[in-house]
Amino acid sequence: KNEVEQSPQNLTAQEGEFITINCSYSVGISALHWLQQHPGGGIVSLFMLSSGKKKHGRLIATINIQEKHSSLHITASHPRDSAVYICAVVGQKVTFGTGTKLQVIP
Amino acid sequence: EPEVTQTPSHQVTQMGQEVILRCVPISNHLYFYWYRQILGQKVEFLVSFYNNEISEKSEIFDDQFSVERPDGSNFTLKIRSTKLEDSAMYFCASSGIDRWGETQYFGPGTRLLVL
Repeated sequence: KNEVEQSPQNLTAQEGEFITINCSYSVGISALHWLQQHPGGGIVSLFMLSSGKKKHGRLIATINIQEKHSSLHITASHPRDSAVYICAVVGQKVTFGTGTKLQVIP
Repeated sequence: EPEVTQTPSHQVTQMGQEVILRCVPISNHLYFYWYRQILGQKVEFLVSFYNNEISEKSEIFDDQFSVERPDGSNFTLKIRSTKLEDSAMYFCASSGIDRWGETQYFGPGTRLLVL
């Protein structure tokens, strides 16, 4: 069993839709990262969370430490949001999820 | 906006050769990282570096790998004797505190191909 599981693996949405990407993990962690990887390969760090909720523009990330679960929400999705979204947990080691590939269609 | 830079963008090398991948982190950052991503696979953590020493490393980061901050600006990853399986995209990152809290900034990556 993977230590970090993301769902869904692939997601196609219409422009404007509200999107949720989930991340579950099985180990104790001190922090969780959400990253965005563009089709060209470049990586952007979106959030680092250790508790609660963070918001940045149209992006919201939440984490529930007791349930070992985090969600990334995108409001009013746009085609430029199309990318792979990666969850990474920082515990005894740093472990990455396999990513959720999001495509937003105009 | 400050950014992390990496050189070269692409490198092709023969198996057994040494390679040095270079990174210039953001100037006031104190934590530095190397990650790799084999084509089609997930990102993997290699090593983190703070206060001129390794703070954490993964099982991937064996004796073939080393990191160095040779001066105040560069952060390098050396692979002593490359293997075919070292072919990957290598990302450098540095972290600091900004208005959104602690944030890691990633470089654009170096694509390494070992033949």
